Amino acid sequence: DAGVTQSPTHLIKTRGQQVTLRCSPKSGHDTVSWYQQALGQGPQFIFQYYEEEERQRGNFPDRFSGHQFPNYSSELNVNALLLGDSALYLCASSIGTEPSYEQYFGPGTRLTVT
Amino acid sequence: RKEVEQDPGPFNVPEGATVAFNCTYSNSASQSFFWYRQDCRKEPKLLMSVYSSGNEDGRFTAQLNRASQYISLLIRDSKLSDSATYLCVVNRGTASKLTFGTGTRLQVTL
Repeated sequence: DAGVTQSPTHLIKTRGQQVTLRCSPKSGHDTVSWYQQALGQGPQFIFQYYEEEERQRGNFPDRFSGHQFPNYSSELNVNALLLGDSALYLCASSIGTEPSYEQYFGPGTRLTVT
Repeated sequence: RKEVEQDPGPFNVPEGATVAFNCTYSNSASQSFFWYRQDCRKEPKLLMSVYSSGNEDGRFTAQLNRASQYISLLIRDSKLSDSATYLCVVNRGTASKLTFGTGTRLQVTL
């Protein structure tokens, strides 16, 4: 039973560039949420996708956008990268959007902006 | 005030000890509660959900006090492999946005 997978594992970008991160949910899961984790902090919610629509969004600027595909996989796009965007980007999947449903995380993509 | 607050630690305990972590949350509308553990430079892994009646999974016991807006995690007979950061997580009930504390670091030593 495949867990949540993310690609790439690591990425180095230059300030001002754009980046796309990818996530495949755990088998049987249809909901994908994205989180940003800065060093020494807990993950911060970016947004959630269900039925190919963004269902909820955290306090992140419009430079952060996403997409969900019919097979439930998802992409996170960040435009006009800033140094402060350097972080571990985590994808979590769940079945549906109920608050009690448990979310399972992928290994993350570590993004470094120079 | 942060929505979820935890003592960052570190908690340094000998193998076999019992250790307890506490967490408070500020939003009384919070509906679901979880403990995750995170090893260094790895993803958070779900340890257990926390229910109002309290729940136990082997050496781990979690409790929730809604009146005090307080969650706890007790680890008995600590193992070296329990060394990690423990994240207190709350879901306010709108969709399934998780709000994380900054984590409590545990170091179990020989």
